[in-house]
Amino acid sequence: QVQLQESGPGLVKPSETLSLTCTVSGGSISSYYWTWIRQPPGKGLEWIGYIYYSGSTTYNPSLESRVTISVDTSKNQFSLKLSSVIAADTAVYYCARYIIGSTYIFDVWGQGTMVTVSS
Amino acid sequence: DIQMTQSPSSLSASVGDRVTITCRASQSISSYLNWYQEKPGKAPNLLIYRASSLQSGVPSRFSGTGSGTDFTLTISSLQSEDSAIYYCQQSYSTPQTFGQGTKVEIK
Repeated sequence: QVQLQESGPGLVKPSETLSLTCTVSGGSISSYYWTWIRQPPGKGLEWIGYIYYSGSTTYNPSLESRVTISVDTSKNQFSLKLSSVIAADTAVYYCARYIIGSTYIFDVWGQGTMVTVSS
Repeated sequence: DIQMTQSPSSLSASVGDRVTITCRASQSISSYLNWYQEKPGKAPNLLIYRASSLQSGVPSRFSGTGSGTDFTLTISSLQSEDSAIYYCQQSYSTPQTFGQGTKVEIK
């Protein structure tokens, strides 16, 4: 059974770059799309972007200028970088598998990691 | 972006009650509507996809209906373990967007 685990710093200073990694276990990262989603405290879910195992990406236009998602198939990992962070980027960040086909679903999620933007 | 609006924002019901949550899209999304359940400290869990298809492993008391702009999630007989926040999500167009959530509490 595929499992996902996010990792990275829990505290990032304003104007710096948030960096997170999602490790996929129990299955291969190949042949799937992978995504990042976040949830600010007390607020709803926001889709950040996704990447195909081949490296092609699609981002939320609201974040596109600051977001980079990359993949390392040799490590079965994909990563998120969000630059020039502000307090509003404080959130729980989830990685998930994104199934694209006759349906479009986030079918397996990581547990999430809290990232706080503060000096 | 397509806006997703859920109602109610919260509800309280007794074990065994029938519970209905609605989700409205700001434009037609055909049947590209998914429902997720989120419990404290846990990742969201997919319940329903394409408006009415039950995800594998999800209890049959959960069901979904709708198409176009109006959708519902129904729990036919509420159980104590169903206490959670429920989100709808449209997958019709990018960016995928979520409703603001409906908190279901057990009386």
